[in-house]
Amino acid sequence: GQSLEQPSEVTAVEGAIVQINCTYQTSGFYGLSWYQQHDGGAPTFLSYNALDGLEETGRFSSFLSRSDSYGYLLLQELQMKDSASYFCAVRSRPEGGGSYIPTFGRGTSLIVHP
Amino acid sequence: DSGVTQTPKHLITATGQRVTLRCSPRSGDLSVYWYQQSLDQGLQFLIQYYNGEERAKGNILERFSAQQFPDLHSELNLSSLELGDSALYFCASSVRDRGTYEQYFGPGTRLTVT
Repeated sequence: GQSLEQPSEVTAVEGAIVQINCTYQTSGFYGLSWYQQHDGGAPTFLSYNALDGLEETGRFSSFLSRSDSYGYLLLQELQMKDSASYFCAVRSRPEGGGSYIPTFGRGTSLIVHP
Repeated sequence: DSGVTQTPKHLITATGQRVTLRCSPRSGDLSVYWYQQSLDQGLQFLIQYYNGEERAKGNILERFSAQQFPDLHSELNLSSLELGDSALYFCASSVRDRGTYEQYFGPGTRLTVT
């Protein structure tokens, strides 16, 4: 089957660096995505890794190791506005076959303190 | 603003009723995804349409159905509503069928079943 594991909550202070980990089990892996969601808002796409290594986009970076079925989102120079939920997501095929479907982790709530 | 629109924003209805949620994708996007988000279940994929055809189906109940019209807007129909159907319903769109890569989410419809 498919599953994604990420911590339920992470806290950090403004200006710090935080890493949100995601481990996955899936068949037919195509890539790992990250989304941000503020309370009451819509998820917004942050990054996508299809190949091993680090992708950097401003203060946010995302890393993937396909051999370890592991990825992380790195947030640098944390700001109060970064307080939100962060979801990792993969495309996976359910047990028993069928079409590939998007599968999201349960999300990590990031709390940034002043 | 992601460019994806959803109506209505809020919906309050009684058990046993039927409702229709509407989604207009970003201009040029052919794929529409529907998700349900509740506190205890995270972001659950329901169904995907690509250029008018059903592409993938997740854990969508038989009481729920969807379609995508020739102008690419989509509707999610929920019938015989139960209290447990109360949730945020998001639609997302993307240019192609690329799994979880760069989906653009609408603002959501908050459904409350009383």
